[in-house]
Amino acid sequence: QVQLVESGGGLVKPGGSLRLSCAATGFTFSDYYMSWIRQAPGKGLEWLSYISRGGTTIYYADSVKGRFTISRDDANNSLYLQMNSLRAEDTAIYYCARRYSGNDFWGQGTLVTVSS
Amino acid sequence: EIMLTQSPGTLSLSPGERATLSCRAYENLDSNYLAWYQQKPGQTPRLLIYGISSRAAGIPDRFSGSGSGTDFTLTISRLEPEDSAVYYCQHYGTPANTFGQGTKVEI
Repeated sequence: QVQLVESGGGLVKPGGSLRLSCAATGFTFSDYYMSWIRQAPGKGLEWLSYISRGGTTIYYADSVKGRFTISRDDANNSLYLQMNSLRAEDTAIYYCARRYSGNDFWGQGTLVTVSS
Repeated sequence: EIMLTQSPGTLSLSPGERATLSCRAYENLDSNYLAWYQQKPGQTPRLLIYGISSRAAGIPDRFSGSGSGTDFTLTISRLEPEDSAVYYCQHYGTPANTFGQGTKVEI
């Protein structure tokens, strides 16, 4: 069955960096677009970025453009989110999701806390 | 980015009643790339509806989606206690994939 497992979250100081990973199993990873979506504590869902098959097309939300970079490694069935210049408002649970007919499968998320 | 506004903010209903949730786009969606998700407390969002009106796998037929242009609706025909959740709409077109702010359904 489809499984997405995020990792790499944690506590980081403002201005710092983190790299999130998402390990995908149960489907042919290279055949699918993938997304990153986050949810701040007690808030709604915020789409961040998606990447096409092969990584040729990438889009970002304005809130993270220039600071976050999405990438994928199809050989290792993995999705990544490099996050730089982190701010307190980036504190959230970060989900990876398979982007198919919306986002049909989601991971359990990894918590990122930006605080001094 | 196409902004989506959901209403009402909270809907309080009884079991067996019908729930009607609205999602309004600031611009015409020139595609059918509109989805609805359910998120229960402490859980990951679950895809309910894609392509405006197609139910995702395993979703009961009491959930239905409709609409076109700028106005979209999620209808839950006969509410059950387990339908208590926050419901989000999302435009998953190109380039941005914005979410609405959510509607909380209390039963």
